[in-house]
Amino acid sequence: EAQVTQNPRYLITVTGKKLTVTCSQNMNHEYMSWYRQDPGLGLRQIYYSMNVEVTDKGDVPEGYKVSRKEKRNFPLILESPSPNQTSLYFCASSLQGSNNEQFFGPGTRLTVL
Amino acid sequence: DAKTTQPNSMESNEEEPVHLPCNHSTISGTDYIHWYRQLPSQGPEYVIHGLTSNVNNRMASLAIAEDRKSSTLILHRATLRDAAVYYCILRLIKAAGNKLTFGGGTRVLVKP
Repeated sequence: EAQVTQNPRYLITVTGKKLTVTCSQNMNHEYMSWYRQDPGLGLRQIYYSMNVEVTDKGDVPEGYKVSRKEKRNFPLILESPSPNQTSLYFCASSLQGSNNEQFFGPGTRLTVL
Repeated sequence: DAKTTQPNSMESNEEEPVHLPCNHSTISGTDYIHWYRQLPSQGPEYVIHGLTSNVNNRMASLAIAEDRKSSTLILHRATLRDAAVYYCILRLIKAAGNKLTFGGGTRVLVKP
């Protein structure tokens, strides 16, 4: 089944404790992206990757890192999480080109205390 | 991406059609009209997209006004599973970062 998977689905952590949220897709998509969703603010793009070893900042990249060493994986790294990073995170992937359907993962609900 | 305007919410009865309007008066000639929906506790999912002509797929139909300043997503027979937030999004052919800019969307309630 074609899908985007994220792990963990739920995470409660404390300020400053480094964490990684994994994202993997099995559709051989070149493009992958991370969004965060907050009440009243909608979904906002954090980082994106057009292909392996090619990443760029989205609208709200501060406090986040990403890497794209393999085509299928695009982990989101929070080196020193803070409470304002409490949010619902979605990973997405698609074929190259802005007019292609984006496939979203199920989401990761992160709480930083 | 240009701005879209949608009603905050709509109600429908099960098995009846649902017409979701979207205004995009500042649309440019290179903007595609995309629709995504987000079911409760799930990630967004693609519904349909178009440029100028009306489009149909297994999920829905998209009717685009002749001047392209508005469009309507049509769910032909709403089911309880169609209860979701529906987002109308404009995308340039070469959108920077390939991102989707989600607005507030329309929350659809389907009554049995």
